Amino acid sequence: QVQLQESGPGLVKPSETLSLTCTVSGGSISSYYWSWIRQPPGKGLEWIGYIYYSGSTNYNPSLKSRVTISVDTSKNQFSLKLSSVTAADTAVYYCARAPSGYYVSGSSNYFYYYMDVWGKGTTVTVSS
Amino acid sequence: QSVLTQPPSVSAAPGQKVTISCSGSSSNIGNNYVSWYQQLPGTAPKLLIYENNKRPSGIPDRFSGSKSGTSATLGITGLQTGDEADYYCGTWDSSLSVVFGGGTKLTVL
Repeated sequence: QVQLQESGPGLVKPSETLSLTCTVSGGSISSYYWSWIRQPPGKGLEWIGYIYYSGSTNYNPSLKSRVTISVDTSKNQFSLKLSSVTAADTAVYYCARAPSGYYVSGSSNYFYYYMDVWGKGTTVTVSS
Repeated sequence: QSVLTQPPSVSAAPGQKVTISCSGSSSNIGNNYVSWYQQLPGTAPKLLIYENNKRPSGIPDRFSGSKSGTSATLGITGLQTGDEADYYCGTWDSSLSVVFGGGTKLTVL
């Protein structure tokens, strides 16, 4: 079955760029959307953004100016870069597979987007 | 402040039933499908319910989901101590992003 594994530095200095990679094994990265989600200590989940295997992306409006998600289909990997980090970016970062699409009913589109396979998460601390 | 509103905590005795609510708006729940996630202590979230009421393979039918208007509900019957976890709802929002509820901590007394 498909498994995801996050990797990257566990400590990043303030104002620098956080870089993480998610390696997909047991299946192809082609098709599906692939997401990054984070969870600050003791808090809830925050969606960061997604990338489709073709390279199209969408980001959380609150993070959009600092986020870049990219994909390398040859390596079955996708990556996250978050620039100008502060202590508020300290969190567990998860990558996940995200089936997504929509159903049409009448004149309306109803979207579905959910994360069905998650990595175990990696803790990133922002500190000097 | 989360876009979707969940009760911070719920509790019930083993064997009983509990429901967890998730309230949103026409920008999110009202016009899109809801998913639910279970996060056991120290672990990654796990998909419980997708597209309002569908269960992934391997999720027991003790877990159920429903949606009405701009609210969704997760139901858990036959509560077990192993169900103690944080539960999150999530959906697509018209702001072109995924939004989550703040999470609900389930205690099985």
